[in-house]
Amino acid sequence: SQTIHQWPATLVQPVGSPLSLECTVEGTSNPNLYWYRQAAGRGLQLLFYSVGIGQISSEVPQNLSASRPQDRQFILSSKKLLLSDSGFYLCAWSLPGAGAPLHFGNGTRLTVT
Amino acid sequence: ILNVEQSPQSLHVQEGDSTNFTCSFPSSNFYALHWYRWETAKSPEALFVMTLNGDEKKKGRISATLNTKEGYSYLYIKGSQPEDSATYLCAFNLNNDMRFGAGTRLTVKP
Repeated sequence: SQTIHQWPATLVQPVGSPLSLECTVEGTSNPNLYWYRQAAGRGLQLLFYSVGIGQISSEVPQNLSASRPQDRQFILSSKKLLLSDSGFYLCAWSLPGAGAPLHFGNGTRLTVT
Repeated sequence: ILNVEQSPQSLHVQEGDSTNFTCSFPSSNFYALHWYRWETAKSPEALFVMTLNGDEKKKGRISATLNTKEGYSYLYIKGSQPEDSATYLCAFNLNNDMRFGAGTRLTVKP
């Protein structure tokens, strides 16, 4: 069966510090991978998605970036965090192709102070 | 820009009440419409994926309908139970990306 791991679960970082959130998927090959963010009181905002190694689509211009160095590894990064980066970050995977449901990780609660 | 709108934003019902909420989405370039349930302290879980106009899906007391021509989907819960309390999200699938609405937060009082 497929599983998704996302870490860390919580993170408190000062403004201007770097960020690295990691997500890995097991039990499937060539999944679509996604990063979403939920800001306080708002819905899920698509940040990045990837259909293959090295293929990243960015939906929201900002100081975040994503990378997919391996087939089942998806990393969300920032060189310098802003207060507005605080939120709940969710990684998800789906089978290739549109119409497949998303399977979410447990999320990371990021607080930028 | 793809806008997915959900209403109402929140809903409080009594145990045993039936309820429904709405998701509206762009009717052009439609590929699939998803419904997810997001319980507190858990991750969102998929309920339904619908692709064809007129689709109806059912899982226990929960069902959903889809109208792609006018761009809306309804989610129905029959005989709500306290364990149905959650945020219900719909998502519009365009190619490989998926855009979510802000969700409807349902609270079922015993």
